[in-house]
Amino acid sequence: QVQLVESGGGLVKPGGSLRLSCAASGFTFSDYYMSWIRQAPGKGLEWVSYISSSSSYTNYADSVKGRFTISRDNAKNSLYLQMNSLRAEDTAVYYCARVSYGYGLFFDYWGQGTLVTVSS
Amino acid sequence: DIQMTQSPSSLSASVGDRVTITCRASQGISNYLAWYQQKPGKVPKLLIYAASTLQSGVPSRFSGSGSGTDFTLTISSLQPEDVATYYCQKYNSAPLTFGQGTRLEIK
Repeated sequence: QVQLVESGGGLVKPGGSLRLSCAASGFTFSDYYMSWIRQAPGKGLEWVSYISSSSSYTNYADSVKGRFTISRDNAKNSLYLQMNSLRAEDTAVYYCARVSYGYGLFFDYWGQGTLVTVSS
Repeated sequence: DIQMTQSPSSLSASVGDRVTITCRASQGISNYLAWYQQKPGKVPKLLIYAASTLQSGVPSRFSGSGSGTDFTLTISSLQPEDVATYYCQKYNSAPLTFGQGTRLEIK
């Protein structure tokens, strides 16, 4: 079965950096676009970024553009999110999600999420 | 950017009721709309895509309709396990915007 397991969250000071990872299993990772979506405490869902199956194409929300970088390693079945210049408003649970194959950029499987807290 | 607005923000209904949640796009998005269910403390789950296609395994009491700018999610007979927050998401192009969510409770 499809499994997505995020790691790398934690407490970081404003201006700091963090790298999130997502380990995928149960499907052919290299066939799928992947995405990061976040949810601030008690708030709604916010799409952050997606990456194409071969890493040739990426896209970002304006709120993270220039600060966050999405990447993947298909040999390791892993997705990453490098987060730099972190701000308090980046505090959220970050979900790794699989983008549906061939039907459009929506999300058919989600990981359990990893909490990122940006605070001094 | 296209904005997605859900209404109502919250609602309370009785078991067995027919429940309708609306999602409106600020510009036309054809049928590039998905609905998700997030139960308290849980991960979001895909319910519907292409505005009206039920994801595999989702109960048939859930249905979606609409095209262009106006969309609805309907639960034909509300069950206790449907207590959740529901989100719409547009995917015609980036940014892949979600609605603000509709919190559904049992009366």
